[in-house]
Amino acid sequence: DVKVTQSSRYLVKRTGEKVFLECVQDMDHENMFWYRQDPGLGLRLIYFSYDVKMKEKGDIPEGYSVSREKKERFSLILESASTNQTSMYLCASSLWDSRNQPQHFGDGTRLSIL
Amino acid sequence: AQTVTQSQPEMSVQEAETVTLSCTYDTSENNYYLFWYKQPPSRQMILVIRQEAYKQQNATENRFSVNFQKAAKSFSLKISDSQLGDTAMYFCAFMKQAGGRFGAGTRLTVKP
Repeated sequence: DVKVTQSSRYLVKRTGEKVFLECVQDMDHENMFWYRQDPGLGLRLIYFSYDVKMKEKGDIPEGYSVSREKKERFSLILESASTNQTSMYLCASSLWDSRNQPQHFGDGTRLSIL
Repeated sequence: AQTVTQSQPEMSVQEAETVTLSCTYDTSENNYYLFWYKQPPSRQMILVIRQEAYKQQNATENRFSVNFQKAAKSFSLKISDSQLGDTAMYFCAFMKQAGGRFGAGTRLTVKP
């Protein structure tokens, strides 16, 4: 089975801090994604990556950046955390054609910014 | 831009009964894929069922089936013989190469 591991299940940070969320997948998937999940809004795509060092903005990239130095690892960075970034963050991966391949999700990181 | 709408924020069903979750979407593309995902309480999101838009036949996976109406851009999920383990958030998703567009979700509770 595909395993997508997010480094923290719960995280509490302070406004203005630089925050790193880490995600690792073990199935050699080309695509990796970061979503945030908010009640009533579903999942919204922040960034995705289709290869090492390649990244594309999703629907809500403002305030975030990403890094993919190795194929298995995709990091989400909050450059200067703000309270409106309090949310559940989900990482996912998929094979090359992500239109017809299911995305495999991690357990999520519930991030609170105080 | 693609949008996905789930008009039922919450639903409940008695164990062993059938329930249908609705989903509509908007796209100008002709060849695409639609998915239903399930997120149990405090657990990982998992795939329930997938439908290819160019296929007329509705997808079925055991107790789960879809009613795909391409012209109406409708993609509903039917759960037969509901079980307590079906209690979860259900998300409808439109998949693109550049990630998915998800609906807001429907919280389904199966009552004993």
